[in-house]
Amino acid sequence: EVQLVQSGAEVKKPGESLKITCKGSGYNFTNSWIGWVRQMPGKGLEWMGSIYPGDSDTRISPSFRGQVTISADKSISTAFLQWSSLKASDTAMYYCARLEMVYVLEGAYYYYYMDVWGEGTPVTVSS
Amino acid sequence: SYVLTQPPSVSVAPGQTARIVCGGDNIGSKNVHWYQQEPGQAPVLVVYDDTDRPSGIPERFSGSNSGNTATLTISRVEAGDEADYYCQVWQRSGDIPWVFGGGTKLTVL
Repeated sequence: EVQLVQSGAEVKKPGESLKITCKGSGYNFTNSWIGWVRQMPGKGLEWMGSIYPGDSDTRISPSFRGQVTISADKSISTAFLQWSSLKASDTAMYYCARLEMVYVLEGAYYYYYMDVWGEGTPVTVSS
Repeated sequence: SYVLTQPPSVSVAPGQTARIVCGGDNIGSKNVHWYQQEPGQAPVLVVYDDTDRPSGIPERFSGSNSGNTATLTISRVEAGDEADYYCQVWQRSGDIPWVFGGGTKLTVL
């Protein structure tokens, strides 16, 4: 069974650093992109960024560039999302998801969707 | 950047059919995916590539996509279908390849 298991809830103070994890199992972690999605309290889903563990190729949304770092360690099948200096506005639920690619022979194009999600890591930043 | 528009809420009685729409410029040319998020839970993929269902998703969930509107249809709605539903597209170009709609809260009356 394909699974993504995330690290547990975090409570931090503004200015502190944080690194949360997403560990994959049941598939070849190296060969699939992992995405990070933010959900602020009572709000919708926002794509933050994605990483390809095979070569650590990373894409980050302009909204989060410079605010977070995305990395991965393929030797332990784990992706990471980290902050160097948290703000109260970082309070949210953070999900990781596997990005499944489908190649369509007719038309010779491909697309992605998020087929498996982690359970989420709630992060609270408060003084 | 590309924008997906969903109604904030849809209400339906048990046993009836719910239709949740997702609007976007020429969305019919894109592959649309739908996620269900029950209260306090992580999102779950219910429809991908406009019309396909992952294994384990009931046949009551179906999708369509044409022109400027994609639609998630839930037939014979049950109380357990009450959740938030998000449409999503992926695009190869641009700074934001992953775009979500704002979400629709489905209420079962």
